[in-house]
Amino acid sequence: AQSVSQHNHHVILSEAASLELGCNYSYGGTVNLFWYVQYPGQHLQLLLKYFSGDPLVKGIKGFEAEFIKSKFSFNLRKPSVQWSDTAEYFCAVKTDSWGKLQFGAGTQVVVTP
Amino acid sequence: EAQVTQNPRYLITVTGKKLTVTCSQNMNHEYMSWYRQDPGLGLRQIYYSMNVEVTDKGDVPEGYKVSRKEKRNFPLILESPSPNQTSLYFCASNPVAGSTYEQYFGPGTRLTVT
Repeated sequence: AQSVSQHNHHVILSEAASLELGCNYSYGGTVNLFWYVQYPGQHLQLLLKYFSGDPLVKGIKGFEAEFIKSKFSFNLRKPSVQWSDTAEYFCAVKTDSWGKLQFGAGTQVVVTP
Repeated sequence: EAQVTQNPRYLITVTGKKLTVTCSQNMNHEYMSWYRQDPGLGLRQIYYSMNVEVTDKGDVPEGYKVSRKEKRNFPLILESPSPNQTSLYFCASNPVAGSTYEQYFGPGTRLTVT
């Protein structure tokens, strides 16, 4: 069965620190990859997505992600986090032609002032 | 404004009392789905619909029903809720045609079953 693994469940870091969240998926076919963010009490918002082309994808709020096909990975990065980046981050993979997303368990990120 | 709406946002109910959570989208999307979010498990798909009158089970369909009589609406029905259905529920929609396939999520419904 397809699965999505996020390496860390909780991450605590200070403002201005760099952030990298790992995501690996198990699916051999063509995939579309997403990172969503959920701020406290809010619904999911799309940070960035990869469909094809340049494997380095830039999203909103200074986030970027790199698709490494050989490693089945799609890691999320931000060079310098802010307190407002405190949120839960979900990696997701679309594996069919309709729209079903397979989500990872999520990573709770807490940025301290 | 393009959006997915859900009602109610919060609901506390008792075991066995039938309830419906409504979902509506104004983007003319064909595909709609329901997810539940539980700590440590991420979001798991309950049911989905590819178009009017076309629905199918997702990964965790037990205890839920859906219907798709109109393109914009996709209600989630719990005929006899149980405490293990206490969760945060999200409705989502996306277009099937086109290249983006981006899913748009509703604001969520927090359900507590006592």
